[in-house]
Order: sequence, then C-alpha cells, then structure tokens
Amino acid sequence: AQSVTQLDSQVPVFEEAPVELRCNYSSSVSVYLFWYVQYPNQGLQLLLKYLSGSTLVKGINGFEAEFNKSQTSFHLRKPSVHISDTAEYFCAVRWGSARQLTFGSGTQLTVLP
Amino acid sequence: ETGVTQTPRHLVMGMTNKKSLKCEQHLGHNAMYWYKQSAKKPLELMFVYNFKEQTENNSVPSRFSPECPNSSHLFLHLHTLQPEDSALYLCASSIGGASGRPFWSTDTQYFGPGTRLTVL
Repeated sequence: AQSVTQLDSQVPVFEEAPVELRCNYSSSVSVYLFWYVQYPNQGLQLLLKYLSGSTLVKGINGFEAEFNKSQTSFHLRKPSVHISDTAEYFCAVRWGSARQLTFGSGTQLTVLP
Repeated sequence: ETGVTQTPRHLVMGMTNKKSLKCEQHLGHNAMYWYKQSAKKPLELMFVYNFKEQTENNSVPSRFSPECPNSSHLFLHLHTLQPEDSALYLCASSIGGASGRPFWSTDTQYFGPGTRLTVL
C-alpha cells in the first residue's frame, strides 16, 4: 500500500534558526506532492505544491521544498523561523490520477524564543 | 465570504441526537470532501463528491450520512454517534474532474476551518 511518512512527530527549534521537516513516500511513480500547515484551532492551509517542472518549489511564508525522486522525499525547509511558524505541518501525496490525497501523520513545529 | 466555510465551528451532542455539519465553497470548484481528524492520527478521508456524485466512501459507518445538493454545498448528517466519533471534521474542495473522469493531475484541495465535534 502507498504511504507517506513524516519521520519526526515533534521538532523544537529556536527562533531565527533554520528548520527542515522531513517527508518520504512509498513510490515515485507519477506523484504530486503537497505541504499543508495547520495553526491551532484552524483548518489546513496550503503552503506549497509540486506538480511538475523545477524540483525546488517555493511557497508562502518563506518555506520551500525539494522533490527528490531517487530518495522519494519532499522535505520542507525554512532558513530562519519565526515564533509565528509554530504549527503542525502535514505532507500529502497524490498518486497518478487518484482523487484522494494520502496524508502523513504530521510534524509539530515549535519555535522557541 | 471567500474560500471554504464550515458551520458550526463547534458542536457538542449526545449519542441520541441528530445534527448536521455544513460546508460551503466559494471557489467555483466541482469536487468536495469530508475528512476526519482525530488526535494523534493521520487525516482520514471519509467521502468525495464530484459534480454532486459520490465517488468515494472509505468504509464510513452509516451513522455518518453525506449530502451534496450542488457543487457549492456539502453536508454531513450525524445520528446516534459514539464518543469515539469526537474529532475535528474538515471539509475541502478542489477543481475535480469532468463527470465520470479522473481528476486533473494539477488538482489541489483547499480546506475549511473545520467543525470541532464532541460526542458525550
């Protein structure tokens, strides 16, 4: 079965430090990749997506992610985090023409002062 | 209103009550989704509708009954729920695909704020 793995359930980091949130998926055949962010008591907001083209994708709030087909990864990065980046981050994958997204279990990013 | 809206934002109900969750999208999309988000578990897709037709039902118990009267509105009717059904219920929408055909590869889902449901 196809799966999405977010290796870290919790990532604490100090303000202005860089951060990387990891996401791996089970198969590289025709994938479409997404990162969503969920702030407390809110729904999911789309951060960025990879559909085709350049493997480095830039999103909102200074985040970027790189599609690595050989490693079947789509890690999310930010060079300098802010307190306001504290939230839960979800990686999601759609395979081929499937209607549904498969979500990872989420990574709670906590930015410390 | 813009994007995807959900009402109510919070709902407390007893196991014998009947209630409904409402979702409305203002994005001109054709596909709508219900997800369940429980603590410490990945998001679970419940139902998918495309052009008002249900295209996915991921083995959801019959005490959850979806309704999609048009492409802009989606309801989730609830009856005789169990305490373990307490969760955040998220609605999403996307462009979808032509009726009866796969979705476009560029299809992207946009989420509402969710309804926090507590079953006593």
